[in-house]
Amino acid sequence: DAGVIQSPRHEVTEMGQEVTLRCKPISGHDYLFWYRQTMMRGLELLIYFNNNVPIDDSGMPEDRFSAKMPNASFSTLKIQPSEPRDSAVYFCASSLWTGNNSPLHFGNGTRLTVT
Amino acid sequence: AQSVTQLDSQVPVFEEAPVELRCNYSSSVSVYLFWYVQYPNQGLQLLLKYLSGSTLVKGINGFEAEFNKSQTSFHLRKPSVHISDTAEYFCAVSETVGTYKYIFGTGTRLKVLA
Repeated sequence: DAGVIQSPRHEVTEMGQEVTLRCKPISGHDYLFWYRQTMMRGLELLIYFNNNVPIDDSGMPEDRFSAKMPNASFSTLKIQPSEPRDSAVYFCASSLWTGNNSPLHFGNGTRLTVT
Repeated sequence: AQSVTQLDSQVPVFEEAPVELRCNYSSSVSVYLFWYVQYPNQGLQLLLKYLSGSTLVKGINGFEAEFNKSQTSFHLRKPSVHISDTAEYFCAVSETVGTYKYIFGTGTRLKVLA
């Protein structure tokens, strides 16, 4: 089991550019979550999917952010256009739901810096 | 709606000393409670969880937590810390029924000093 895989590990881009973060969940998991971590706000839930369908995107900051899950093995989080305030660590997590106590399995994150 | 409060943003402690990281929660429904740990440059890992039954829960690496319903608290403890315990610790809740969604606290950075 390779765990949740995120790419890239680090991304540095200029303001106004499009950024795409990628996530491969653990095989067989049916939930996928995108979180953003900053010093000011801690860990914020952006969006989550169940069986590839977005369930709750109320945490997505604004229309510049979008997320897709075209199949059970892959998800993307896109920011277009990026702004300096988007600088943060973005985590993807997956889980196999067997009840609301099912643990989340996190990737190592993508550290995004927008200059 | 639920919320989680971790009162201490940073806790320095000397090696082999005991430590307690505090967590309080608020919820109108019953919840499951969790502690996750984040080592530098890594994602979060589950440390322990409270589901029901005994209020004292034991986790990995010698950590334990006690659920106190009347005080709506779930404090994390370790009797003797090691340098390797230096990490950020997150308390989290999830409703027992209804929406499957974790709410995390803002985290407590534990720094173990030699």
